[in-house]
Amino acid sequence: GAVVSQHPSWVICKSGTSVKIECRSLDFQATTMFWYRQFPKQSLMLMATSNEGSKATYEQGVEKDKFLINHASLTLSTLTVTSAHPEDSSFYICSARDGAVQETQYFGPGTRLLVL
Amino acid sequence: GQNIDQPTEMTATEGAIVQINCTYQTSGFNGLFWYQQHAGEAPTFLSYNVLDGLEEKGRFSSFLSRSKGYSYLLLKELQMKDSASYLCAVMDSNYQLIWGAGTKLIIKP
Repeated sequence: GAVVSQHPSWVICKSGTSVKIECRSLDFQATTMFWYRQFPKQSLMLMATSNEGSKATYEQGVEKDKFLINHASLTLSTLTVTSAHPEDSSFYICSARDGAVQETQYFGPGTRLLVL
Repeated sequence: GQNIDQPTEMTATEGAIVQINCTYQTSGFNGLFWYQQHAGEAPTFLSYNVLDGLEEKGRFSSFLSRSKGYSYLLLKELQMKDSASYLCAVMDSNYQLIWGAGTKLIIKP
């Protein structure tokens, strides 16, 4: 299957700092990438959908000025958590849709963020 | 509204068979997915059904009935490593995935 990488896998930062998470599709071109957040023992929550070369579409309740998403190329999307606070601590997972196979989303390994 | 229902938790015995059900009500339908998620890890793709019927892939099979808004994931010859959460997701008319809350499967020796 298709491979999606995420970096870093773990981040510990101080409150007020910004954190950037990268998501790459390694062996396919991803016209659409998705960013999810998952709190312990809860289901995936879609934060935003990003299409290459255009602005991301954010889900209701997700602050676009706090969670900056950039999808500059067909293989790379970034999520920047600006001025992170302890309540932003979570498991952030990206997924990518293979442009050649419209339906299936492939997930990255996730980034665990801990804000102190 | 859009809704995906699946049991919260199931328990089964190593070597046995377990069926995890999923019912859905969505605006449009472009396929149903099953993902496996081990604790602390990201989901991994298991199966995709867009037509009615059974899709078999090794020990795992997935069934879909579009008229009933129903799917199940069947796991045979259960192994301890199958202990995980199993997520049902439906792609709606906008090609957006609607996620169920997941079924935590506990395998006992």
